[in-house]
Amino acid sequence: EAAVTQSPRNKVAVTGGKVTLSCNQTNNHNNMYWYRQDTGHGLRLIHYSYGAGSTEKGDIPDGYKASRPSQENFSLILELATPSQTSVYFCASGDRGGTFGAGTRLSVL
Amino acid sequence: AQKVTQTQTSISVVEKTTVTMDCVYETRDSSYFLFWYKQTASGEIVFLIRQDSYKKENATVGHYSLNFQKPKSSIGLIITATQIEDSAVYFCAMRGMSNYNVLYFGSGTKLTVEP
Repeated sequence: EAAVTQSPRNKVAVTGGKVTLSCNQTNNHNNMYWYRQDTGHGLRLIHYSYGAGSTEKGDIPDGYKASRPSQENFSLILELATPSQTSVYFCASGDRGGTFGAGTRLSVL
Repeated sequence: AQKVTQTQTSISVVEKTTVTMDCVYETRDSSYFLFWYKQTASGEIVFLIRQDSYKKENATVGHYSLNFQKPKSSIGLIITATQIEDSAVYFCAMRGMSNYNVLYFGSGTKLTVEP
């Protein structure tokens, strides 16, 4: 079965620190996405990718970078984490309904 | 700009009844795709059903069906014979052809199914 795996599942970071969230998919999908979920906002798109080597900005890219080194892997990078980036982050792959990972709960203290 | 709005924050129904969740959207695209997702208490997000804007027939999958009213820019999710396990947060989402890779989500409706 197609799968999207996120790591870590939980992360506590300090303000100003660097955080990397990883996502791996076995679906062989070209498109991958990073969303954040906050109460009252649903899911908001941060970055997405069309394939290996490509990254595109979504609706809320400020403070985030993305990296797609291969078809399977897509990372979200917070170079200088801030408390406002405390959230739940979801990775997804695919074009139609899409397949979502289980989420990463990030707390920036 | 594209926008998806779910005005119902929460709904509570009795098991085995039918529930409808509302969703309205805004887009300038002539073709677009509409989706409903379910997020369980564990946080898992699952794709449920999709409606293509050019199709007049309402999509149906299992006990999920859609009420697509294109002139009203509305896509309601109907769950028949609700079960306790249907308790979750339901998200409506839209993808337009002008920016095909971006999926816009509503803020969600929390459904509670009681015995």
